[in-house]
Amino acid sequence: GENVEQHPSTLSVQEGDSAVIKCTYSDSASNYFPWYKQELGKRPQLIIDIRSNVGEKKDQRIAVTLNKTAKHFSLHITETQPEDSAVYFCAASREYKLSFGAGTTVTVRA
Amino acid sequence: KAGVTQTPRYLIKTRGQQVTLSCSPISGHRSVSWYQQTPGQGLQFLFEYFSETQRNKGNFPGRFSGRQFSNSRSEMNVSTLELGDSALYLCASSSRTGGIEQYFGPGTRLTVT
Repeated sequence: GENVEQHPSTLSVQEGDSAVIKCTYSDSASNYFPWYKQELGKRPQLIIDIRSNVGEKKDQRIAVTLNKTAKHFSLHITETQPEDSAVYFCAASREYKLSFGAGTTVTVRA
Repeated sequence: KAGVTQTPRYLIKTRGQQVTLSCSPISGHRSVSWYQQTPGQGLQFLFEYFSETQRNKGNFPGRFSGRQFSNSRSEMNVSTLELGDSALYLCASSSRTGGIEQYFGPGTRLTVT
């Protein structure tokens, strides 16, 4: 089955700096890569996604890049704000089955 | 549109009992997936239902089962509960035909004592 590895497990950044989270996947048939943000006690919220036929996608302060050859994808958050503090999960999907990374706890220091 | 809803939100059961959790997808969504979230194992896929048929299944024992009704609402059942089944159970809905994005419900927090 699909195996998704996510790094780092924790990330502390100064407000205004950038944050980068990286994920690798094992199944070359995976074709959809969403990112979820989960605040404490809340549901995972889809923040951005990318399909295998696209190399990069941006939405305001967040962007995702995908390298199919190397089987890795990354989340970039620019100009971080305190409300960006949360756990972020990457996932790889094949036929509606999401395989998640272990999560990255992001803390934005004021 | 209303989001994905799950009931109950919290549940306490005793080892050996069984439990049924319910999930109502976003209106118009016909795919419902279930996930188990624990601190140790993270988010793990249980199964996916589309048009009342199980389309995908994760690596969980047969004690975990589910079904989907004609109105797309889904239920998940866990029989013979074990302490290790304590977790947050999340369901997610997707249009499947109109889009592949999955949107999560608030989850049911199950505690097995």
